[in-house]
Amino acid sequence: DIQMTQSPSSLSASVGDRVTITCRASQSISSYLNWYQQKPGKAPKLLIYAASSLQSGVPSRFSGSGSGTDFTLTISSLQPEDFATYYCQQSYSTFITFGQGTRLEIK
Amino acid sequence: EVQLVESGGGLVQPGGSLRLSCAASGFTFSSYWMSWVRQAPGKGLEWVANIKQDGSEKYYVDSVKGRFTISRDNAKNSLYLQMNSLRAEDTAVYYCARGGIAAAGSNWFDPWGQGTLVTVSS
Repeated sequence: DIQMTQSPSSLSASVGDRVTITCRASQSISSYLNWYQQKPGKAPKLLIYAASSLQSGVPSRFSGSGSGTDFTLTISSLQPEDFATYYCQQSYSTFITFGQGTRLEIK
Repeated sequence: EVQLVESGGGLVQPGGSLRLSCAASGFTFSSYWMSWVRQAPGKGLEWVANIKQDGSEKYYVDSVKGRFTISRDNAKNSLYLQMNSLRAEDTAVYYCARGGIAAAGSNWFDPWGQGTLVTVSS
């Protein structure tokens, strides 16, 4: 199975900060990498698909990049509603795997 | 509106069985791969199983192989997860999620249902 490793596991930041979360795959997954946001008690929400494509309705302050094994999710200017947990997910294989999550907290 | 609604969760004893259902609406159900994803209390997301549009291909995470069975009824726009020989470590919120058109590559999940809680305890 393809292992997905996110870093950091948790992050404290302030409103207006630029934040970057990294996701690394245990083997090349081309651009088959997706990002989700999850708030407490809610289902995950798709933010970015195919490494860099912004899902409809998602604010443009979210962006994704990378290919092969290394990927990043960037939030250009944190808003209060962005404090949540973020997960990466590989869809290269039919055996799908998620990263362990990055909890983004208010500083 | 594209919507997924799960049902069937509850409290079950270790070794017991439960069948989860997911009702889909607002899209052509038979055109998409579908998946179950779970989240244990306070933990991250874990993909459980997925199924091809016509049900001819099914894949499972190793920890549920031989115990769980994913199925679908395209005439009823419904996805199912039959869970047998349940263990305490199967306790989680179970989400159904719409995948992509292709087997791999496009299997990002959108939308997700609201989830149904399965608790395995004596």
